[in-house]
Amino acid sequence: QLQLQESGPGLVKPSETLSLTCTVSGDSISSSSYYWGWIRQPPGKGLEWVGTVYYSGSSYYNPSLKSRVTISIDTSRNRFSLRLTSVTAADTAIYYCARLASRSSLYYFDYWGQGSLVTVSS
Amino acid sequence: DIVMTQFPDSLAVALGERATINCKSSQNVLSSSNNKNYLAWYQQRPGHPPKLLMYWASTRESGVPDRFSGSGSGTDFTLTISSLQAEDVAVYYCQQYFGTPQTFGQGTKLEIK
Repeated sequence: QLQLQESGPGLVKPSETLSLTCTVSGDSISSSSYYWGWIRQPPGKGLEWVGTVYYSGSSYYNPSLKSRVTISIDTSRNRFSLRLTSVTAADTAIYYCARLASRSSLYYFDYWGQGSLVTVSS
Repeated sequence: DIVMTQFPDSLAVALGERATINCKSSQNVLSSSNNKNYLAWYQQRPGHPPKLLMYWASTRESGVPDRFSGSGSGTDFTLTISSLQAEDVAVYYCQQYFGTPQTFGQGTKLEIK
């Protein structure tokens, strides 16, 4: 059974960098069959796609965040990571990692992690 | 961006009754090349991540009860729960994956009347 688990600091100071890692178990992230992604959800609000990455390293980002976000992949450790720079309180959210059910970067998400709450505050 | 608008924002339905949630996209999400609607539905129970219910607008994900069904095409879509169960209390989201960025509706909160 595929499982995804987010990890990283729960508190980040304004203007600093948010870093999260998603560790995948039950399948190889090197599979060419899937993209992997990040979605975030501010407390009590809706879902926002952050970006996706392929095993090759190809990545796509939400234009609203593009200048601040980087998603990388580490196939040797079966995990992928999110970096979001210059954070503000508006970046406070639950960050989910998920698998896209296809080798297309535009697809639905069939497996999700439990989510990691990141609060931006001094 | 393709804007997804759900209605109603919240809904209260009696146990055993039908629940209907609507989703409208600002642009067509039906592909002319494969005749598929690039529309998915998710269920998010309190304190849990979203769970995939439907994709291609009307294909049920494996393990999802058949009381859930999806319909619609082009810009107008509906998620129907034929007989509401207590465990269906959740927020439901639609998502389009036709154009980038992929976008979600604002969510519809479903409660028991």
